[in-house]
Amino acid sequence: DIQMTQSPSSLSASVGDRVTITCRASQGISNYLAWYQQKPGKVPKLLIYAASTLQSGVPSRFSGSGSGTDFTLTISSLQPEDVATYYCQKYNSGPRTFGQGTKVEIK
Amino acid sequence: EVQLVESGGGLVQPGGSLRLSCAASGFTFSSYEMNWVRQAPGKGLEWVSYISSRGTTIYYADSVKGRFTISRDNAKNSLYLQMNSLRAEDTAVYYCVRDAAYALGSYFPFEYWGQGTLVTVSS
Repeated sequence: DIQMTQSPSSLSASVGDRVTITCRASQGISNYLAWYQQKPGKVPKLLIYAASTLQSGVPSRFSGSGSGTDFTLTISSLQPEDVATYYCQKYNSGPRTFGQGTKVEIK
Repeated sequence: EVQLVESGGGLVQPGGSLRLSCAASGFTFSSYEMNWVRQAPGKGLEWVSYISSRGTTIYYADSVKGRFTISRDNAKNSLYLQMNSLRAEDTAVYYCVRDAAYALGSYFPFEYWGQGTLVTVSS
């Protein structure tokens, strides 16, 4: 099965900083990569799908890139409401594996 | 409005069994692929199982293979997860999750989540 590896596992940044999270698939998954945001006590929310397509209603400071095995989620200017854990997920055929998550905090 | 309501969670002893249910409404259940995802306390998301719209294709995470069985009843708009030989490490909130869309031969991310049902495996 394909494994999804995220880095870092946690980060702390200042408001307004540019934040980058990476996700690597153990085999190529084309662009079948989604990013989710989960705030404490809430269910996950879909942010980005097809590696780079922003879900409706998601602020434009979020962006995604990549294809094949290497993917990136970028928050261009970190806001207090972005404090959450972010997960990548492959969603092509077979198991729909998640990455282990990246916890984002404000410094 | 899409609604997914899980039930059936609770406290069970190691080695025991539970059957989770998910009642779906607000969409044509028989058209959508469905999944179970779990989250242990303070831990990350773990995909557990997938079932195609007609129930003909099923996948399991290695951690539950041979112990859990996913099924669905499209006439009752319901998804199920039969969990046997439960272990302490199966303790988690279990979510019923729907794909964002459906189209033959295409793949979609998860968009709709239930609120979850807590399963606690402990003696």
